[in-house]
Amino acid sequence: GENVEQHPSTLSVQEGDSAVIKCTYSDSASNYFPWYKQELGKRPQLIIDIRSNVGEKKDQRIAVTLNKTAKHFSLHITETQPEDSAVYFCAASSPSGGSYIPTFGRGTSLIVHP
Amino acid sequence: GAGVSQSPSNKVTEKGKDVELRCDPISGHTALYWYRQRLGQGLEFLIYFQGNSAPDKSGLPSDRFSAERTGESVSTLTIQRTQQEDSAVYLCASSQLGVGTEAFFGQGTRLTVV
Repeated sequence: GENVEQHPSTLSVQEGDSAVIKCTYSDSASNYFPWYKQELGKRPQLIIDIRSNVGEKKDQRIAVTLNKTAKHFSLHITETQPEDSAVYFCAASSPSGGSYIPTFGRGTSLIVHP
Repeated sequence: GAGVSQSPSNKVTEKGKDVELRCDPISGHTALYWYRQRLGQGLEFLIYFQGNSAPDKSGLPSDRFSAERTGESVSTLTIQRTQQEDSAVYLCASSQLGVGTEAFFGQGTRLTVV
């Protein structure tokens, strides 16, 4: 099955700095890569996703890049703000076996200091 | 509109008791997932339902765990003879069928086994 590794586990930045979270996956058949943000005590919510036919996608201060050859993808947050503080999860979804189960990384706790 | 709803939001149970957790997916979502999230940890896949197909139970940690879903409706996750290590937040998510579709999460059920 799919295996997703996520680094770092904790990331501390100053307000205004950029933050980068990296993930690798193992199943070359994976073709959908969502990123979720989970604020303390709340449910995970999708913030951006990318499909395998695209190498990069941007949405305001958030961007995701995908390198299918190397099987890794990254989340980039620019001009970080205190409200960006949360746990971020990457995931990879593969149609292998007819199931479309997102496999999640272990999460990155992002702390943005004012 | 209505999102994914889970009940109860909190459950405290004695070791050895059985518990049943409920998930109401978004109407029209054929795929339903259960995940477990231990304190400060990532999302651990438990079970996946897709329409009327046989569920993917590959993530269930032991035979004390089971889940049911009738068609595209409500799902229940049952944990028999609960143990302290079962304490976690149990998250349900639903999505439309296929890879590349957003999984919407419920608010979770926080289970505490004492």
